Amino acid sequence: KQEVTQIPAALSVPEGENLVLNCSFTDSAIYNLQWFRQDPGKGLTSLLLIQSSQREQTSGRLNASLDKSSGRSTLYIAASQPGDSATYLCAVRPSNTGKLIFGQGTTLQVKP
Amino acid sequence: GAGVSQSPSNKVTEKGKDVELRCDPISGHTALYWYRQSLGQGLEFLIYFQGNSAPDKSGLPSDRFSAERTGGSVSTLTIQRTQQEDSAVYLCASSPSVGIGSHGYTFGSGTRLTVV
Repeated sequence: KQEVTQIPAALSVPEGENLVLNCSFTDSAIYNLQWFRQDPGKGLTSLLLIQSSQREQTSGRLNASLDKSSGRSTLYIAASQPGDSATYLCAVRPSNTGKLIFGQGTTLQVKP
Repeated sequence: GAGVSQSPSNKVTEKGKDVELRCDPISGHTALYWYRQSLGQGLEFLIYFQGNSAPDKSGLPSDRFSAERTGGSVSTLTIQRTQQEDSAVYLCASSPSVGIGSHGYTFGSGTRLTVV
């Protein structure tokens, strides 16, 4: 059974810091991995999608990496801003199903 | 449409009443998914559709929950005889069907259900 774990559960940093959010999964048989952002009381916004054959994806200040064999992904946020404060969710799509399996999320607070 | 649309955005209902939640996926997306997010909890998979059929409904918590999709577009999630533990945000997502494994999900803003 696929399980997704995110560490840390919460993180507070001063504005301007670079930071890394971690995601691990137990079964390497995946189609892809997706990082989402969720603001309080809102739905999910897709940030980055990494296919199983890819090693990383970049969008602006965000960079996500994938090491499928070790079951790990990281989300790197450069030069953090208060507007980055949100919960970040990692989700994998196992190769034998159409659904996503989510981690519990990392709640990030960036202080001005 | 341009995005996944869910209605209503908020719903307060009395215990024991039935509710219907609606999801309108992105035009052309044939895969549609329902998730539930309870307060302080992660996202819980409920059911997904490919076209009008539901290959995986394993996440529906009880027989009070049902979902249907008609015309390969709009989906309705119905909860009968609502209980207080049904209170949660119900999220819908869609994705293209081609190469189902290679596309990401797009989520709607959710319906916040409160059972009093």
